[in-house]
Amino acid sequence: ETGVTQTPRHLVMGMTNKKSLKCEQHLGHNAMYWYKQSAKKPLELMFVYSLEERVENNSVPSRFSPECPNSSHLFLHLHTLQPEDSALYLCASSQEAPSNQPQHFGDGTRLSIL
Amino acid sequence: DQQVKQNSPSLSVQEGRISILNCDYTNSMFDYFLWYKKYPAEGPTFLISISSIKDKNEDGRFTVFLNKSAKHLSLHIVPSQPGDSAVYFCAASGSSNTGKLIFGQGTTLQVKP
Repeated sequence: ETGVTQTPRHLVMGMTNKKSLKCEQHLGHNAMYWYKQSAKKPLELMFVYSLEERVENNSVPSRFSPECPNSSHLFLHLHTLQPEDSALYLCASSQEAPSNQPQHFGDGTRLSIL
Repeated sequence: DQQVKQNSPSLSVQEGRISILNCDYTNSMFDYFLWYKKYPAEGPTFLISISSIKDKNEDGRFTVFLNKSAKHLSLHIVPSQPGDSAVYFCAASGSSNTGKLIFGQGTTLQVKP
């Protein structure tokens, strides 16, 4: 039990589909993050939310749209994705952002774009 | 341009011996460093961290060393156990960031019984 839960664990979608990834943290944290891990590449930050406000968008294409309705939930809405978007998408949370405290990760959603 | 590098993709050690995983960084503004462990089909799990005001932090079998002048950190695991077999990532952040962690590519550790 990591304290950060991601659903679904696996997702296969076509390029014209619309889907959403969900993340929920049970740690009482105020900051949440989306990361992407492509094959043979380091984890790459996509978005940072602090107290439900987006504080970082790491040059992510607009086909990825994050939503943070409250400090416990984070969504990543997907629309018209490309094959190169196939990757592992990881959600994380931390007490604050920025802070010198560790981020705690969920187990990720493995996304495959057909 | 990768700011955090783990130059060894893999490492194999015998059970009971020391495992040393290395990480180099280029950005002198980084002031907080972390190590994560990742098993297949799971997310990264936080192991240990170190602030730039320290040069060593120890937690049980895990010790992280920081050499700021060389921009190098290392993770020592002693004694190594088969359950330590996993991918290890180092990560770094700066206090001026929005909490952004920069990750290395990871090193796969195999501990042989």
